[in-house]
Amino acid sequence: DVKVTQSSRYLVKRTGEKVFLECVQDMDHENMFWYRQDPGLGLRLIYFSYDVKMKEKGDIPEGYSVSREKKERFSLILESASTNQTSMYLCATRGQGRYEQYFGPGTRLTVT
Amino acid sequence: SQQGEEDPQALSIQEGENATMNCSYKTSINNLQWYRQNSGRGLVHLILIRSNEREKHSGRLRVTLDTSKKSSSLLITASRAADTASYFCATTYGNNRLAFGKGNQVVVIP
Repeated sequence: DVKVTQSSRYLVKRTGEKVFLECVQDMDHENMFWYRQDPGLGLRLIYFSYDVKMKEKGDIPEGYSVSREKKERFSLILESASTNQTSMYLCATRGQGRYEQYFGPGTRLTVT
Repeated sequence: SQQGEEDPQALSIQEGENATMNCSYKTSINNLQWYRQNSGRGLVHLILIRSNEREKHSGRLRVTLDTSKKSSSLLITASRAADTASYFCATTYGNNRLAFGKGNQVVVIP
């Protein structure tokens, strides 16, 4: 079974802090994704990566950056956290040539 | 951009009953997927139906796809309390990105 883990289930940060959210997968999947999920807005794609050191902007990349130095790890960085980044953050992976995505348990981030 | 849109409803049913939810989308697709999300957790892939398929089964799940109407339905038969969750449809666009609908909340009462 694919296992996707995220560094924290719950996180509370202050406005202006730099925040790192980490995602690790154990299935050698090439593709990794970061989403945020908000009530009434559904899941929205922030960034994705299709290979080590490769990344592509999703629908809402503003205020975020990502890093993928190793195949199994994909990090989401909030350079200067703001209250409107309070959300549930979900990481997902997908194997090459496949369509289904495998999700981590999510990180509920609160920025005060 | 969102291409998958569930018929937004909260469904409350008794254990043992069937639950049906719908999804519509805007553009032509190669496939459509359904995911389940238990409260406060990540999404779990349930089933994928390709554009050349009309119906697909997986255990107690039945998915239909009508490409002429750009719609899909998910049926859960003989529901259980553990089926209480939100259900999302998703379509592929661009470079294999997924667009998710807003989700249907299903509550199964024991």
